[in-house]
Amino acid sequence: EAQVTQNPRYLITVTGKKLTVTCSQNMNHEYMSWYRQDPGLGLRQIYYSMNVEVTDKGDVPEGYKVSRKEKRNFPLILESPSPNQTSLYFCASRPVGNQPQHFGDGTRLSIL
Amino acid sequence: GESVGLHLPTLSVQEGDNSIINCAYSNSASDYFIWYKQESGKGPQFIIDIRSNMDKRQGQRVTVLLNKTVKHLSLQIAATQPGDSAVYFCAESLYNQGGKLIFGQGTELSVKP
Repeated sequence: EAQVTQNPRYLITVTGKKLTVTCSQNMNHEYMSWYRQDPGLGLRQIYYSMNVEVTDKGDVPEGYKVSRKEKRNFPLILESPSPNQTSLYFCASRPVGNQPQHFGDGTRLSIL
Repeated sequence: GESVGLHLPTLSVQEGDNSIINCAYSNSASDYFIWYKQESGKGPQFIIDIRSNMDKRQGQRVTVLLNKTVKHLSLQIAATQPGDSAVYFCAESLYNQGGKLIFGQGTELSVKP
């Protein structure tokens, strides 16, 4: 089954403790992206990657890092999480060109 | 505690009626548009898309209309069913900006049986 898989689905942690949210897609898509979804602010792009070893900032990159060492994986790294990063996070992927992005089921992060 | 956000626009329809969800997009250079459905606890799910060289596209029970003159997009759902209850987002994309998606705020569709 074609899918985007995120882990963990839920995480409660404390300020300053580094965490990584993994994202993996099995569709051989070149493009991958991370979004956060907040009430009243909708979905906002954090980082995206056009292909392996190519990453770029989205609209809200501060406090986040990403890497794209393999085509299928695009982890989101919070080196020193803060409470304002409490949010619902989505990973998405799509093939090259104007094609719809496919989303994972989300990761709910709570930073205390 | 949780922050209180803006309430989403809500559309309430009777089962079997047709639904129309509207969206205004922001960039006249956007060349690709997508409608997504998001159910509680899930990620956005692709419904239908349309390119800027078209003004109408039909899928199964859904139709998307694009009016570039007024930068307006609509999603029509025929014979709405309880399973259609969800939040619906439109998204615009600019291919020359890496295909970044810009999402609308969403509309909550509630279907009464």
